[in-house]
Amino acid sequence: QSVLTQPPSVSGAPGQRVTISCTGSSSNFGAGYDVHWYLQLPGSAPKLLIYADSNRPSGVPDRFSGSKSGTSASLAITGLQAEDEADYYCQSYDISLSGSVVFGGGTKLTVL
Amino acid sequence: QITLKESDPTLVKPTQTLTLTCNISGFSLTTSGVSVGWIRQPPGKALEWLALIYWDDEKLYSPSLKNRLTITKDSSQNQVVLTMTNMDPVDTATYYCAHRYCHDGTCYQTFDFWGQGTLVTVSS
Repeated sequence: QSVLTQPPSVSGAPGQRVTISCTGSSSNFGAGYDVHWYLQLPGSAPKLLIYADSNRPSGVPDRFSGSKSGTSASLAITGLQAEDEADYYCQSYDISLSGSVVFGGGTKLTVL
Repeated sequence: QITLKESDPTLVKPTQTLTLTCNISGFSLTTSGVSVGWIRQPPGKALEWLALIYWDDEKLYSPSLKNRLTITKDSSQNQVVLTMTNMDPVDTATYYCAHRYCHDGTCYQTFDFWGQGTLVTVSS
């Protein structure tokens, strides 16, 4: 059971907009800690997509955006493309139990 | 260019101790703010954070695995080492080491560069 809760799967057609939610709690998002997002293609290491709630590292297309409010966060992908089909993970820091890095359970995005 | 590379895939027996090495290049383990972490992923499952070591040798461990983990660094060898005791088949996973992301003088609790991962299989 992950500390951060994500839907197991989402889907969308090419060109559409999809969102992936990530629900936290008072010991992570609610305590002011950032949410970060990764994309993972099969057989590859995760790639950082969004850091500190809504910032894109250099080279990440602006089709990807992030937001956070209270104890919930979301990743939005616009202009969906076939190559966006992957697993997406949210990640934060949690102050319970002496502090730890925590991941969501992951969401499989299927491009129809 | 920052790179990280984990030691080769390995097979360990239940109850044995696992030792993994992460060889880094393109940054120094003594630079203020630098941190390297270990994350694992069982086949078909989610990412799980294990441990983190900072430039000043401060260490952070997963609460659920704290009693089994030790993370160390050898700055002169550009290596970060993770040991995990009392291995069990449920510990079978791909193990990644990763570099903590710093940008414009601020370091974040997230990872920008990852190794390719190494498969650890626990079986008798």
